[in-house]
Amino acid sequence: GDSVTQMEGPVTLSEEAFLTINCTYTATGYPSLFWYVQYPGEGLQLLLKATKADDKGSNKGFEATYRKETTSFHLEKGSVQVSDSAVYFCALRGSNYKLTFGKGTLLTVNP
Amino acid sequence: GAVVSQHPSWVICKSGTSVKIECRSLDFQATTMFWYRQFPKQSLMLMATSNEGSKATYEQGVEKDKFLINHASLTLSTLTVTSAHPEDSSFYICSATKGQGATYEQYFGPGTRLTVT
Repeated sequence: GDSVTQMEGPVTLSEEAFLTINCTYTATGYPSLFWYVQYPGEGLQLLLKATKADDKGSNKGFEATYRKETTSFHLEKGSVQVSDSAVYFCALRGSNYKLTFGKGTLLTVNP
Repeated sequence: GAVVSQHPSWVICKSGTSVKIECRSLDFQATTMFWYRQFPKQSLMLMATSNEGSKATYEQGVEKDKFLINHASLTLSTLTVTSAHPEDSSFYICSATKGQGATYEQYFGPGTRLTVT
């Protein structure tokens, strides 16, 4: 079945540092890939997505590229802020339209 | 647009009682609604898929008699936790979908924290 593996946290960075959160997936067919962000005590917000190979999703300075050859969708940001502190989930949506989530990565950014 | 609300945002109940959680799509009609459960520091686990006017489809291992889902309209789905026990304490999140094919999107509610004492 479908699965998503993302790097385990927690990740602690200083403000303005470079962020990478790795995500790889296993799926049949051609899934869509997503990054969601969850702030403390809240539900999930879509951060960015990519629907086909080589697509790059971007939003709020975050980027991720759909790499079919490596089955990866790594999240990057060049300069993180304290307000980026949250849990980040990588997810895929397969042909059954159900989302499969990774376990989440807690990011803490210190001033 | 595309706002999903949940009510209540948090609830405390005694063991053995039932609790109802509402999920509403405020500005669109939802094709499908999903219910998830999230344990502390863990990922979201899909519990069931709900379509308006039909019975919910439960994921393997989810007790349908314990977690009753009713999808009364295209903008409202409810999850009732029956005879709640402390192990049912969790964060419950719903999502509602809109569109089809290339326009398909899934929007999440803010979640409901249930504590059973």
